[in-house]
Amino acid sequence: NAGVTQTPKFQVLKTGQSMTLQCAQDMNHNSMYWYRQDPGMGLRLIYYSASEGTTDKGEVPNGYNVSRLNKREFSLRLESAAPSQTSVYFCASSGRGGEETQYFGPGTRLLVL
Amino acid sequence: SQKIEQNSEALNIQEGKTATLTCNYTNYSPAYLQWYRQDPGRGPVFLLLIRENEKEKRKERLKVTFDTTLKQSLFHITASQPADSATYLCAPRSGGSYIPTFGRGTSLIVHP
Repeated sequence: NAGVTQTPKFQVLKTGQSMTLQCAQDMNHNSMYWYRQDPGMGLRLIYYSASEGTTDKGEVPNGYNVSRLNKREFSLRLESAAPSQTSVYFCASSGRGGEETQYFGPGTRLLVL
Repeated sequence: SQKIEQNSEALNIQEGKTATLTCNYTNYSPAYLQWYRQDPGRGPVFLLLIRENEKEKRKERLKVTFDTTLKQSLFHITASQPADSATYLCAPRSGGSYIPTFGRGTSLIVHP
């Protein structure tokens, strides 16, 4: 099992460009999450999907959109990137949400110039 | 507002000693609390979960305590090794909540 995979590993964008971060899990988990991690700020939840077909905003959703394509895949889109979105993005999944352990991907490092 | 506090200063200890990390929370009544380990350039990895009705949980050299009166969890690593050097995150969670919240983490550095 690959667990949680993310692509790309690293990306440089110019202000105003768009991109989609891809995430997939092979653990048959119901819930999936997108976080950003900035120095001194810890992990902050951007969006989550409690189950296939549903998505909800987290703590910092502005400037992002998500799509739960199917049970395996959960993508994060930046429509018009801004320097403030420079960060490390982590995707995670869990069995039922709630008490279940979260499994994290390796992260995507995004630099917006 | 809900707040999770972990010591932002790195904890430096000598190999073989016991490391103790603290997680304090306010305006929270978590049903359980998780601890994760994060290595540089990697995603967090789950270590232990402790429920509100459990005082203590152990796994190999790891021990977690949960004091709902003090609103605090302590994370201990006994006989620490340089390979234990990492950032440790706590994540209290309300029962049935889909919204995970993480502390900012404490960096542990174990010197040989």
